[in-house]
Amino acid sequence: QVHLVESGGGVVQPGGSLRLSCAASGFTFITYGMHWVRQAPGKGLEWVAFMRYDGNNEYYADSVKGRFTISRDKSKNTLYLQMNSLRAEDTAVYYCAKDSTIFGVLTGGVDVWGKGTTVTVSS
Amino acid sequence: SYELTQPPSVSVSPGQTARITCSGDALPNQYVYWYQQKPGQAPVLVIYKDRERPSGIPERFSGSSSGTTVTLTISGVQAEDEADYYCQSADRSGTYVVFGGGTKLTAL
Repeated sequence: QVHLVESGGGVVQPGGSLRLSCAASGFTFITYGMHWVRQAPGKGLEWVAFMRYDGNNEYYADSVKGRFTISRDKSKNTLYLQMNSLRAEDTAVYYCAKDSTIFGVLTGGVDVWGKGTTVTVSS
Repeated sequence: SYELTQPPSVSVSPGQTARITCSGDALPNQYVYWYQQKPGQAPVLVIYKDRERPSGIPERFSGSSSGTTVTLTISGVQAEDEADYYCQSADRSGTYVVFGGGTKLTAL
């Protein structure tokens, strides 16, 4: 059974940094692209970033480009999101999500979601 | 920036058919995916590639497309179908993923 477990959320001051992790299991990690998606309190879903199955390409939403970095460690079956220069508007539940298409390149949807980890940016 | 447009809310009586639309200029060229999200839970995929239904999703959920609009149809709405529904696709160049603003389905 496919399983995604996020960790690393917490409370951080504006301008601070945080690294989220997502442990993946139940599927061949190196054959699927992975997304981060967030949801601010009471708001809709917002796509954040995607990394291709082979780690060769990254894509970011304009709202986080230059501040967030997505990466993956195939030896640990783990996805990461390094978040720097955090702002109040980055406060959200962050979901790790598996792309639905094997060897897909961003345009596939998400077929499995983690339960999310909460990031709060506040002084 | 590219946007997908959904109605904020749809209300139907139990047993009736609910239709939720999603509009975007690139939809003739990109697939749409639909997610159901209940309060306090992660989203669940209910339709992929415009009209395909994942295993485990009831047959009352279906999808269709026509030009720049795709539609999620829920036939015979049940109380358990009350949730927020989001469409998702990509921009024409395939460099951004976009979610619609979400539609709150209420079974009156």
